[in-house]
Amino acid sequence: DSGVTQTPKHLITATGQRVTLRCSPRSGDLSVYWYQQSLDQGLQFLIQYYNGEERAKGNILERFSAQQFPDLHSELNLSSLELGDSALYFCASSVHLNTGELFFGEGSRLTVL
Amino acid sequence: GENVEQHPSTLSVQEGDSAVIKCTYSDSASNYFPWYKQELGKRPQLIIDIRSNVGEKKDQRIAVTLNKTAKHFSLHITETQPEDSAVYFCAASIDMGRRALTFGSGTRLQVQP
Repeated sequence: DSGVTQTPKHLITATGQRVTLRCSPRSGDLSVYWYQQSLDQGLQFLIQYYNGEERAKGNILERFSAQQFPDLHSELNLSSLELGDSALYFCASSVHLNTGELFFGEGSRLTVL
Repeated sequence: GENVEQHPSTLSVQEGDSAVIKCTYSDSASNYFPWYKQELGKRPQLIIDIRSNVGEKKDQRIAVTLNKTAKHFSLHITETQPEDSAVYFCAASIDMGRRALTFGSGTRLQVQP
């Protein structure tokens, strides 16, 4: 158990819909990262937060947005869903910014039909 | 931004043989290079990392080497065991920098008993 909690574990929805994925980082970790892993693909960096502030963006689509709340949990919002958005979405956390081990959650598997 | 290329995409070895996975990175400012292991259906987990002030690091049967001049780093696994079968990801970042980890595309290692 990494200490990072992601919900829901599985989500099935239809094209055009909107979903919210939630992540609770390890206790004490200030950095939260979101990664997308499509089938047989690598880990694509989406966005990163540190202590409530957005610190870096990767190839995140405009249809996607995220935030980190004062209690340090984070949410990733995916809207106007397309078939190609089907993927495993990982949240990870670390104590410091961009250094040391990333602790990944179990992921949220999104299926868009 | 950073671009990390990883080879091979798949690797099959006999139990007891060695396995080598190679990565190259594009940004000479990158100075932190971790390797993550992802077993089937599970989250990625850090197995070893190296910073640019050292050329080699070992931890039991695994070792990582770094050639800063060539912008190249490699993972070496000796005396492979069936439980080493997994997808391995290399990554690069600037320690404490404004860029999160950029991952390679992954290598699927299969250790044949």
